[in-house]
Order: sequence, then structure tokens, then C-alpha cells
Amino acid sequence: DVVMTQSPLSLPVTLGQPASISCRSSQSLVYSDGNTYLSWFQQRPGQSPRRLIYEVSNRDSGVPDRFSGSRSGTDFTLKISRVAAEDVGVYYCMQGAHWPPTFGQGTKVEIK
Amino acid sequence: QVQLVQSGAEVKKPGASVKVSCKASGYTFTNYPMHWVRQAPGQRLEWMGWINAGNGNTKYSQKFQGRVTITRDTSASTAYIDLSSLRSEDTAVYYCASGAFLGIAWGQGTLVTVSS
Repeated sequence: DVVMTQSPLSLPVTLGQPASISCRSSQSLVYSDGNTYLSWFQQRPGQSPRRLIYEVSNRDSGVPDRFSGSRSGTDFTLKISRVAAEDVGVYYCMQGAHWPPTFGQGTKVEIK
Repeated sequence: QVQLVQSGAEVKKPGASVKVSCKASGYTFTNYPMHWVRQAPGQRLEWMGWINAGNGNTKYSQKFQGRVTITRDTSASTAYIDLSSLRSEDTAVYYCASGAFLGIAWGQGTLVTVSS
């Protein structure tokens, strides 16, 4: 299975400041159709996960534009331009290019 | 609005089976795949399998092959996951999630506890 490795695993941030989470895949996530199937999910405390970003950099409907995704080879980054209180939670990357889909370990974002 | 509502928590003994349901509303059930993902305590999310809600085709993670069965009832817009031969390591919150790459909605989760 493709291994997804996130860093850091814990990220204390100051409100209004930027935050960045990295995710590295053990294999290329470029599928045969040319698309790169890397998604980001947010899980707020006590809630189910929800998808924020799909195919590296596309925001899902209703996701604030302070969230953005990017890629450099097999390294992927989720950035929050200005952290808000409601951004506290655990963030997961997930690859969908290889069977079975696999998730990163999760990065816990908390307010300092 | 789009919603997935799962059945309630279960407590099972080792060796038993469990069946969790996931009722969809707010969208056309047969238009999107339904996935099942679980989260054991302190562990990362783990994808288990999915069903094409339209034609009923399924695909499972090899880790669960032979122990898991995913079905659906289109008349009830409901998907099910059946996990057999339960062991303590199967204690987890089980989620259904709809849409390609889990992007439509997630259920609220069902805690399955396996304990003697």
C-alpha cells in the first residue's frame, strides 16, 4: 500500500497567523488519466471528517479561501493563510491514485 | 441538505458479526459510490471498501477481504457494512462517506466495541 507521511503531527498556531502541513507519498500520485488524486480532510473535535481539498488544490464547496493546497513532486502541502478558531482539529491527507486509498497519520492543529 | 445517518453503537463479543447501516438523504443515492472508513483509537483513518450504489458492484481492501460485505438497498437509500469474525482490534468508529474520493458527505460514525 502507498504510505502517506504527514508532518508535523502536532502544530500549535497563533490565531491570525499562517500554518502549513506537509504530506509525502511513497509513490507518485499521478493517475493514468493525468490527474493527481490527493485530498485533504479536516476533522474538528467530536465531528466526522469532511473533505476540504481534492486533486491537490481544488477547494470543496463552502471551504474558506484561506485554505489552499499545492504539490511539489510527491510532497504535498496544505496551507492556512490565517488560522481561525474554527480551524482547530486534525487534518489528514489521503491518496486515491492507488488501490486501496490510504491516509496520513493526521496533524493536530491547536491554538497556542 | 445532504445527510448520512448511521445506526447506533454496538458492543460485540469476539467472533461475532456486526452490521452497520447508513441512510442517505438530500441527493440521489444511486448516483454516487458509498465508502466505509474506520478509525481505531489513536490510529489513522483506514479505508475498508466501497459500493457502487447504482449497480451494486463492490471493492474491498485486501486487509478485510473475506470478512467484510458491503450491500445497499436502493429503495431505502441505505448502505450497509457487515464485518464478521470480530476481534478486539476491530474496535473502532466506523464511518460511511459518499461521493468519489469521499467528497459528498460523511456519516456521524458508529462506535463498534469488541470485548469479551
